[in-house]
Amino acid sequence: GDSVTQMEGPVTLSEEAFLTINCTYTATGYPSLFWYVQYPGEGLQLLLKATKADDKGSNKGFEATYRKETTSFHLEKGSVQVSDSAVYFCALNSSASKIIFGSGTRLSIRP
Amino acid sequence: GAGVSQSPRYKVAKRGQDVALRCDPISGHVSLFWYQQALGQGPEFLTYFQNEAQLDKSGLPSDRFFAERPEGSVSTLKIQRTQQEDSAVYLCASSLEVYEQYFGPGTRLTVT
Repeated sequence: GDSVTQMEGPVTLSEEAFLTINCTYTATGYPSLFWYVQYPGEGLQLLLKATKADDKGSNKGFEATYRKETTSFHLEKGSVQVSDSAVYFCALNSSASKIIFGSGTRLSIRP
Repeated sequence: GAGVSQSPRYKVAKRGQDVALRCDPISGHVSLFWYQQALGQGPEFLTYFQNEAQLDKSGLPSDRFFAERPEGSVSTLKIQRTQQEDSAVYLCASSLEVYEQYFGPGTRLTVT
């Protein structure tokens, strides 16, 4: 069945460092891909999405490119801030009814 | 506007008790989803409604779990005879289109 694998955390970086969180997927067909973020004490929020191969999703300085050849959707940000500390979930949707999530990566940014 | 709301935010139940978790979706959203999120894991799909019709319940872990949305708006997830393994955060999401699901804050259920 469809699945998402993302790098385990926690990831701890200093402010202004470069961030990459790896995500790969397995799916039949052509799924849409997402990154969701869960800030402390808050609900899940959609961070960015890409619906077809080679699409780049971007938001709040974060980017991810849908790579069909490597079945990947890695999340990147050039300069992280303390306020980016959260749990990040890679996810896919290949049917009408459900989103399949990875297990999450906790990111902590040191001032 | 108001987002998805869920109540209660926290629920403690003794093993064997029945619980009911409520979800108020964003007004006008046709689709409603329930997910279960165990500690340290990503959310896992439970069930999906389009209006009042339950179109997919493939993720419900056992027949103790039951969801309804009788008027196509508010939804209730009911768990009968709760077990310790039911302890999790239960998330509700709603959407106009399936790719843009908006999540509520969740209900944290602890079964003792």
